[in-house]
Amino acid sequence: NAGVTQTPKFQVLKTGQSMTLQCAQDMNHEYMSWYRQDPGMGLRLIHYSVGAGITDQGEVPNGYNVSRSTTEDFPLRLLSAAPSQTSVYFCASSPGLNGEQYFGPGTRLTVT
Amino acid sequence: AQKVTQAQTEISVVEKEDVTLDCVYETRDTTYYLFWYKQPPSGELVFLIRRNSFDEQNEISGRYSWNFQKSTSSFNFTITASQVVDSAVYFCALSEVDSNYQLIWGAGTKLIIKP
Repeated sequence: NAGVTQTPKFQVLKTGQSMTLQCAQDMNHEYMSWYRQDPGMGLRLIHYSVGAGITDQGEVPNGYNVSRSTTEDFPLRLLSAAPSQTSVYFCASSPGLNGEQYFGPGTRLTVT
Repeated sequence: AQKVTQAQTEISVVEKEDVTLDCVYETRDTTYYLFWYKQPPSGELVFLIRRNSFDEQNEISGRYSWNFQKSTSSFNFTITASQVVDSAVYFCALSEVDSNYQLIWGAGTKLIIKP
């Protein structure tokens, strides 16, 4: 049981490049979400999903896209990277909307 | 206005001391959930506790205890006989109907335990 996995662990992008951060969970959780964490701050919600085929925006969705074609996977796409997107990105899953969330190890992204 | 306030940015204590991390929240909902997470220097986020608004009983888990008081909208976390391994950033979070149950995070308290 791997829990929540994220790839890659580290990534450096140039401004304007696009990429996809991968997230997968093997706990059969319906709820998944993406957060970013900037220095000295709590986590901010980017996008979330309450089940396959259903996604919604969080607090800071601009510049990011998501899709949820299966229960297990919830990739996050950066459309055109900007230095302001330099951050640590966490994926999480939960058995329900108000349940405890289990986090992946994070992806440290630097945009130059 | 902040919905989850962790007023202590950083706390430093000597090993074996007891330490309390404060969390004050704001919500109009009668049904809500409160959480604590730990983020050690390695960076992962570890779930510690989830408490619903109808359960005001204090919770104890080993050296960790939580004091939930609706009258003061607080959900404080105490570590008894602290250890160096407790050094981490601790986050308090709120989940409420008004925010569609999305987690609203406090800014975190950095706890440093000195040997």
